[in-house]
Amino acid sequence: SQQGEEDPQALSIQEGENATMNCSYKTSINNLQWYRQNSGRGLVHLILIRSNEREKHSGRLRVTLDTSKKSSSLLITASRAADTASYFCATDAGGNNRLAFGKGNQVVVIP
Amino acid sequence: EAGVAQSPRYKIIEKRQSVAFWCNPISGHATLYWYQQILGQGPKLLIQFQNNGVVDDSQLPKDRFSAERLKGVDSTLKIQPAKLEDSAVYLCASSLEVLADTQYFGPGTRLTVL
Repeated sequence: SQQGEEDPQALSIQEGENATMNCSYKTSINNLQWYRQNSGRGLVHLILIRSNEREKHSGRLRVTLDTSKKSSSLLITASRAADTASYFCATDAGGNNRLAFGKGNQVVVIP
Repeated sequence: EAGVAQSPRYKIIEKRQSVAFWCNPISGHATLYWYQQILGQGPKLLIQFQNNGVVDDSQLPKDRFSAERLKGVDSTLKIQPAKLEDSAVYLCASSLEVLADTQYFGPGTRLTVL
Protein backbone atom coordinates (compact mmCIF):
# COMPACT_ATOMS: atom_id res chain seq x y z
CA SER A 1 0.00 0.00 0.00
CA GLN A 2 1.12 3.55 -0.61
CA GLN A 3 2.58 4.93 2.55
CA GLY A 4 4.82 7.88 1.87
CA GLU A 5 3.27 11.24 1.18
CA GLU A 6 5.55 13.92 -0.21
CA ASP A 7 5.10 17.61 0.44
CA PRO A 8 5.13 19.93 -1.48
CA GLN A 9 3.79 18.10 -4.51
CA ALA A 10 5.45 20.45 -6.99
CA LEU A 11 8.37 22.81 -6.63
CA SER A 12 9.89 25.26 -9.09
CA ILE A 13 13.23 26.88 -8.25
CA GLN A 14 16.07 28.75 -9.91
CA GLU A 15 19.33 27.00 -10.64
CA GLY A 16 21.70 27.37 -7.71
CA GLU A 17 18.94 27.50 -5.09
CA ASN A 18 18.28 24.75 -2.57
CA ALA A 19 15.26 22.47 -2.87
CA THR A 20 13.63 20.88 0.15
CA MET A 21 10.88 18.31 0.10
CA ASN A 22 9.24 16.37 2.87
CA CYS A 23 7.77 12.93 3.23
CA SER A 24 5.44 11.61 5.89
CA TYR A 25 4.54 8.01 6.54
CA LYS A 26 2.11 6.14 8.73
CA THR A 27 3.67 2.99 10.18
CA SER A 28 6.99 2.05 11.78
CA ILE A 29 9.80 1.54 9.32
CA ASN A 30 13.10 -0.26 9.01
CA ASN A 31 14.46 2.29 6.55
CA LEU A 32 13.37 5.07 4.23
CA GLN A 33 14.75 5.60 0.74
CA TRP A 34 14.59 8.43 -1.77
CA TYR A 35 14.42 7.82 -5.50
CA ARG A 36 14.55 10.14 -8.48
CA GLN A 37 12.65 9.59 -11.70
CA ASN A 38 13.05 11.39 -14.97
CA SER A 39 12.37 10.46 -18.55
CA GLY A 40 16.02 10.09 -19.39
CA ARG A 41 17.20 7.74 -16.66
CA GLY A 42 14.11 6.11 -15.22
CA LEU A 43 13.87 5.50 -11.48
CA VAL A 44 17.19 5.81 -9.67
CA HIS A 45 18.05 5.14 -6.03
CA LEU A 46 19.49 8.24 -4.33
CA ILE A 47 19.96 7.58 -0.65
CA LEU A 48 18.81 5.34 2.20
CA ILE A 49 18.44 6.25 5.85
CA ARG A 50 17.83 3.65 8.52
CA SER A 51 15.39 4.02 11.39
CA ASN A 52 18.23 4.49 13.91
CA GLU A 53 19.82 7.31 11.89
CA ARG A 54 18.82 10.95 12.02
CA GLU A 55 20.75 12.49 9.15
CA LYS A 56 22.69 11.34 6.13
CA HIS A 57 24.60 13.07 3.35
CA SER A 58 25.50 12.04 -0.17
CA GLY A 59 27.11 14.67 -2.38
CA ARG A 60 24.62 17.54 -2.68
CA LEU A 61 21.88 15.52 -0.96
CA ARG A 62 21.01 15.69 2.71
CA VAL A 63 18.33 13.48 4.21
CA THR A 64 16.88 13.71 7.69
CA LEU A 65 14.60 11.29 9.47
CA ASP A 66 12.36 11.96 12.47
CA THR A 67 10.79 8.69 13.51
CA SER A 68 8.81 10.35 16.32
CA LYS A 69 7.04 12.49 13.73
CA LYS A 70 7.16 9.79 11.06
CA SER A 71 8.66 12.19 8.57
CA SER A 72 11.73 12.68 6.42
CA SER A 73 13.13 15.53 4.40
CA LEU A 74 15.35 15.61 1.33
CA LEU A 75 17.48 18.68 0.69
CA ILE A 76 19.20 19.23 -2.64
CA THR A 77 21.79 21.99 -2.38
CA ALA A 78 22.97 24.20 -5.25
CA SER A 79 20.40 22.76 -7.64
CA ARG A 80 21.15 22.20 -11.30
CA ALA A 81 18.90 21.94 -14.33
CA ALA A 82 19.72 18.22 -14.40
CA ASP A 83 18.01 17.85 -11.00
CA THR A 84 14.66 18.43 -12.71
CA ALA A 85 12.76 15.24 -11.95
CA SER A 86 10.17 13.62 -9.73
CA TYR A 87 11.40 12.60 -6.31
CA PHE A 88 9.80 9.73 -4.39
CA CYS A 89 10.23 8.57 -0.84
CA ALA A 90 9.78 4.87 -0.24
CA THR A 91 9.49 3.10 3.08
CA ASP A 92 10.60 -0.40 3.98
CA ALA A 93 8.59 -1.48 6.99
CA GLY A 94 9.84 -5.03 7.44
CA GLY A 95 13.46 -4.79 6.33
CA ASN A 96 12.65 -7.14 3.48
CA ASN A 97 12.94 -4.59 0.72
CA ARG A 98 9.22 -4.43 0.00
CA LEU A 99 8.97 -0.72 -0.69
CA ALA A 100 5.89 1.45 -0.36
CA PHE A 101 6.30 4.57 -2.49
CA GLY A 102 4.69 7.96 -2.01
CA LYS A 103 3.02 9.91 -4.79
CA GLY A 104 6.11 11.86 -5.68
CA ASN A 105 7.30 15.43 -5.68
CA GLN A 106 7.93 17.16 -9.00
CA VAL A 107 10.90 19.51 -8.98
CA VAL A 108 11.64 21.88 -11.84
CA VAL A 109 14.99 23.69 -11.81
CA ILE A 110 14.99 26.73 -14.08
CA PRO A 111 18.36 27.48 -15.69
CA GLU B 1 27.52 -3.38 -16.08
CA ALA B 2 24.30 -3.82 -18.05
CA GLY B 3 21.18 -2.56 -16.34
CA VAL B 4 17.73 -4.08 -16.03
CA ALA B 5 16.25 -4.71 -19.46
CA GLN B 6 12.55 -4.62 -20.23
CA SER B 7 10.52 -5.15 -23.36
CA PRO B 8 8.48 -3.99 -25.04
CA ARG B 9 8.84 -0.32 -24.15
CA TYR B 10 5.32 0.54 -25.28
CA LYS B 11 2.20 -1.51 -25.81
CA ILE B 12 -1.32 -0.54 -26.85
CA ILE B 13 -4.11 -3.08 -26.57
CA GLU B 14 -7.86 -3.15 -26.35
CA LYS B 15 -9.66 -4.13 -23.18
CA ARG B 16 -10.14 -7.85 -22.67
CA GLN B 17 -7.00 -8.61 -24.67
CA SER B 18 -3.93 -10.26 -23.17
CA VAL B 19 -0.46 -8.80 -22.84
CA ALA B 20 2.90 -9.96 -21.54
CA PHE B 21 5.95 -8.03 -20.39
CA TRP B 22 9.48 -9.35 -20.15
CA CYS B 23 12.27 -8.44 -17.76
CA ASN B 24 15.93 -9.42 -17.61
CA PRO B 25 17.52 -8.35 -14.30
CA ILE B 26 21.10 -7.39 -13.65
CA SER B 27 23.32 -10.46 -13.83
CA GLY B 28 23.70 -12.10 -10.44
CA HIS B 29 20.74 -10.34 -8.83
CA ALA B 30 18.68 -12.89 -6.95
CA THR B 31 15.69 -10.69 -6.18
CA LEU B 32 13.32 -9.36 -8.82
CA TYR B 33 10.35 -7.05 -8.43
CA TRP B 34 7.45 -5.96 -10.61
CA TYR B 35 5.81 -2.61 -9.93
CA GLN B 36 2.81 -0.86 -11.43
CA GLN B 37 3.01 2.93 -11.73
CA ILE B 38 -0.20 4.72 -12.64
CA LEU B 39 0.20 8.22 -14.03
CA GLY B 40 0.75 10.75 -11.26
CA GLN B 41 1.41 8.14 -8.59
CA GLY B 42 4.37 6.33 -7.14
CA PRO B 43 5.19 2.74 -8.06
CA LYS B 44 3.17 0.02 -6.35
CA LEU B 45 4.79 -3.34 -5.70
CA LEU B 46 2.97 -6.19 -7.42
CA ILE B 47 5.25 -9.16 -6.80
CA GLN B 48 8.69 -9.96 -5.40
CA PHE B 49 10.74 -13.01 -6.39
CA GLN B 50 13.77 -14.49 -4.67
CA ASN B 51 15.47 -16.63 -7.33
CA ASN B 52 12.51 -18.48 -8.87
CA GLY B 53 10.30 -18.43 -5.77
CA VAL B 54 7.62 -15.88 -4.91
CA VAL B 55 8.39 -13.93 -1.71
CA ASP B 56 5.40 -11.61 -1.78
CA ASP B 57 2.48 -11.32 -4.19
CA SER B 58 -0.06 -9.85 -1.80
CA GLN B 59 -0.81 -6.88 -4.06
CA LEU B 60 -0.99 -8.81 -7.32
CA PRO B 61 -4.58 -9.00 -8.69
CA LYS B 62 -4.40 -12.72 -9.19
CA ASP B 63 -7.68 -12.99 -11.08
CA ARG B 64 -6.04 -11.34 -14.09
CA PHE B 65 -2.32 -10.90 -13.39
CA SER B 66 0.28 -13.64 -13.31
CA ALA B 67 4.05 -13.64 -13.16
CA GLU B 68 6.76 -16.22 -13.32
CA ARG B 69 10.51 -16.34 -13.06
CA LEU B 70 11.61 -19.63 -14.48
CA LYS B 71 15.24 -20.60 -13.80
CA GLY B 72 15.55 -17.63 -11.47
CA VAL B 73 16.69 -15.17 -14.12
CA ASP B 74 14.24 -13.64 -16.62
CA SER B 75 10.69 -12.91 -15.64
CA THR B 76 7.40 -12.34 -17.42
CA LEU B 77 4.33 -10.52 -16.17
CA LYS B 78 1.04 -11.26 -17.89
CA ILE B 79 -2.34 -9.58 -17.81
CA GLN B 80 -5.33 -11.55 -19.05
CA PRO B 81 -7.83 -10.04 -19.70
CA ALA B 82 -6.77 -6.40 -19.53
CA LYS B 83 -9.02 -3.66 -18.15
CA LEU B 84 -8.92 0.07 -18.80
CA GLU B 85 -7.57 0.67 -15.29
CA ASP B 86 -4.50 -1.44 -16.08
CA SER B 87 -3.12 1.43 -18.16
CA ALA B 88 0.15 2.23 -16.43
CA VAL B 89 3.91 1.86 -16.62
CA TYR B 90 5.10 -1.56 -15.49
CA LEU B 91 8.52 -1.37 -13.90
CA CYS B 92 10.87 -4.24 -13.23
CA ALA B 93 13.60 -3.91 -10.63
CA SER B 94 16.27 -6.18 -9.23
CA SER B 95 18.51 -6.28 -6.19
CA LEU B 96 21.46 -8.41 -5.20
CA GLU B 97 19.44 -10.24 -2.57
CA VAL B 98 16.19 -9.84 -0.70
CA LEU B 99 17.88 -7.91 2.11
CA ALA B 100 19.92 -5.70 -0.21
CA ASP B 101 19.10 -2.03 0.13
CA THR B 102 19.30 -0.76 -3.41
CA GLN B 103 16.85 -1.69 -6.13
CA TYR B 104 17.84 -1.07 -9.73
CA PHE B 105 14.97 -0.25 -12.05
CA GLY B 106 14.48 -0.89 -15.72
CA PRO B 107 13.05 1.70 -18.13
CA GLY B 108 9.54 0.28 -17.84
CA THR B 109 6.82 -0.75 -20.26
CA ARG B 110 4.08 1.80 -20.88
CA LEU B 111 0.77 0.00 -21.35
CA THR B 112 -2.28 1.72 -22.78
CA VAL B 113 -5.57 -0.16 -22.66
CA LEU B 114 -8.25 1.25 -24.98
